[in-house]
Amino acid sequence: GQQVMQIPQYQHVQEGEDFTTYCNSSTTLSNIQWYKQRPGGHPVFLIQLVKSGEVKKQKRLTFQFGEAKKNSSLHITATQTTDVGTYFCAGPYSGAGSYQLTFGKGTKLSVIP
Amino acid sequence: GAVVSQHPSWVICKSGTSVKIECRSLDFQATTMFWYRQFPKQSLMLMATSNEGSKATYEQGVEKDKFLINHASLTLSTLTVTSAHPEDSSFYICSAPETGWVGYTFGSGTRLTVV
Repeated sequence: GQQVMQIPQYQHVQEGEDFTTYCNSSTTLSNIQWYKQRPGGHPVFLIQLVKSGEVKKQKRLTFQFGEAKKNSSLHITATQTTDVGTYFCAGPYSGAGSYQLTFGKGTKLSVIP
Repeated sequence: GAVVSQHPSWVICKSGTSVKIECRSLDFQATTMFWYRQFPKQSLMLMATSNEGSKATYEQGVEKDKFLINHASLTLSTLTVTSAHPEDSSFYICSAPETGWVGYTFGSGTRLTVV
């Protein structure tokens, strides 16, 4: 079945430093989605990338979708304590008449003030 | 944006009892609801997909007789953990696709502890 691998598993950064998490799929994806889960909270949708080579920005967050549509990255510039949480990438696959998501294991970001 | 309300937020139950978790879509019709389970410090594992008016589809390894899913209306899906055991203790989260299937809205999750 489809596998989505994400690295690193953990990342500790000093406030103000940059952060990047990488995601790789075993299969070509129609799109890739990114979610953020704060400690004790639930995943919140951040963005969806659809096109090959697509780059999208949300303030200090930059999302990229690889040319082959099998990998993606999330880069945060000048991290802040509010960025703390686990970032998941997820790719859809077709099953049971619906599009289910396969999640990566997530990258847990800790920001040291 | 779309909101999925999930209740209860946390529940403690005795081993052998059943627990029902509800997820309601508040401002949209959720014809499909996904149910996930998340162990501490781990990723989300899809348990089952429920479609309004039809039987749920369970992922491999998930006991359908233990995790009963009902999706009787376009705004309500329920997960019942029957005869719960301590190993069923986990964080259960529901999720529904947003309009046009761009992103999925998650409920706030239910932390189940079986003692």
